[in-house]
Amino acid sequence: KQEVTQIPAALSVPEGENLVLNCSFTDSAIYNLQWFRQDPGKGLTSLLLIQSSQREQTSGRLNASLDKSSGRSTLYIAASQPGDSATYLCAVRPTTTDSWGKLQFGAGTQVVVTP
Amino acid sequence: EAGVAQSPRYKIIEKRQSVAFWCNPISGHATLYWYQQILGQGPKLLIQFQNNGVVDDSQLPKDRFSAERLKGVDSTLKIQPAKLEDSAVYLCASSLIVEQDTQYFGPGTRLTVL
Repeated sequence: KQEVTQIPAALSVPEGENLVLNCSFTDSAIYNLQWFRQDPGKGLTSLLLIQSSQREQTSGRLNASLDKSSGRSTLYIAASQPGDSATYLCAVRPTTTDSWGKLQFGAGTQVVVTP
Repeated sequence: EAGVAQSPRYKIIEKRQSVAFWCNPISGHATLYWYQQILGQGPKLLIQFQNNGVVDDSQLPKDRFSAERLKGVDSTLKIQPAKLEDSAVYLCASSLIVEQDTQYFGPGTRLTVL
């Protein structure tokens, strides 16, 4: 059974510092991995999606890496801003067709960026 | 492009009462998902529809939860009777097709069972 873990559960950094968020998963047989952002009282917004054949994806100040063999992904947010304060979740999509579409989520890392 | 709509946004009920949530996906999206997110946890998939057929409901507590997707568009999730442990945020998401597509999430319905 796939287990997705995000450590730490919470993180506070001063504005301008780079953020490093970790995600680990136990079963390397994944189709892809996604990073989401969740603001209080709102749904999830997809930030980056990395296919299993890729090593990283970049969008603006965000960069996500994937090491499938070691079961790890890291989300880097450069030069953090107070607007980056949110909960960040990672989710893996399995390769088995009978679980197609079933994202397995981590519990998330709550980030606070202080001015 | 309009996003995924959900209602109500908040609901408070007593245990053993029934409750229903509504979801309207993004126009043209064939796949619809219902997730349960308990405080401090990631979302857990309850049921997945492809058009109006069920693809996966393996984690849906079928003794009390039911869901339908009429005409392959809107969907309703019902809980009857509710238990204290059903207190959570219920998220609806949709995607164009299942393979590789990003899921777009609605704002969720926060349910409190007293």
